[in-house]
Amino acid sequence: NAGVTQTPKFQVLKTGQSMTLQCAQDMNHEYMSWYRQDPGMGLRLIHYSVGAGITDQGEVPNGYNVSRSTTEDFPLRLLSAAPSQTSVYFCASSYVSGDQPQHFGDGTRLSIL
Amino acid sequence: QKEVEQDPGPLSVPEGAIVSLNCTYSNSAFQYFMWYRQYSRKGPELLMYTYSSGNKEDGRFTAQVDKSSKYISLFIRDSQPSDSATYLCAMSEGSGTYKYIFGTGTRLKVLA
Repeated sequence: NAGVTQTPKFQVLKTGQSMTLQCAQDMNHEYMSWYRQDPGMGLRLIHYSVGAGITDQGEVPNGYNVSRSTTEDFPLRLLSAAPSQTSVYFCASSYVSGDQPQHFGDGTRLSIL
Repeated sequence: QKEVEQDPGPLSVPEGAIVSLNCTYSNSAFQYFMWYRQYSRKGPELLMYTYSSGNKEDGRFTAQVDKSSKYISLFIRDSQPSDSATYLCAMSEGSGTYKYIFGTGTRLKVLA
């Protein structure tokens, strides 16, 4: 009963480095999304996908890239890390966007030095 | 003005108290309303999910939606120290849209 699994749990990067945050779900959900959570800002949508091969931008997409080759996986790539991307990143999934609640992973804490 | 407003707290109550957590919103198109509980260093966990106006009860938790006032509430009866967490409200317009809007969360502390 894994649900939504995110790896790694913690990561420290230097400015300019790239990395991929992994997200996998075993609930056969079509909809998957990435959020960042910052103090006082709430959860802000970065990118989302409504199925394999289909992705779109959310509220704060700059500096991030996504792809969806399978239903289960939805990785988030930081192309050139900046200190402003220091945050906690959450992946979420649901059956159908908007009228079903999302289920979240436990997050990746990312620090950019 | 944010689409969803939520008092950040912290809200401190004694064990056994009834807790009332609230959110207001501005978008009258929202139809689906959710409450999540988030413990420190964990992801949001779905507590309650309601459609349109009315009440929904699940154990010690009651979710209330008043669409005419654009106001939703979560009530926790017989609060326990284990209820200490941040509570997030969330809402969406419905099928065909990706748009889930979250409140910033209210920190709750239940004192033993």
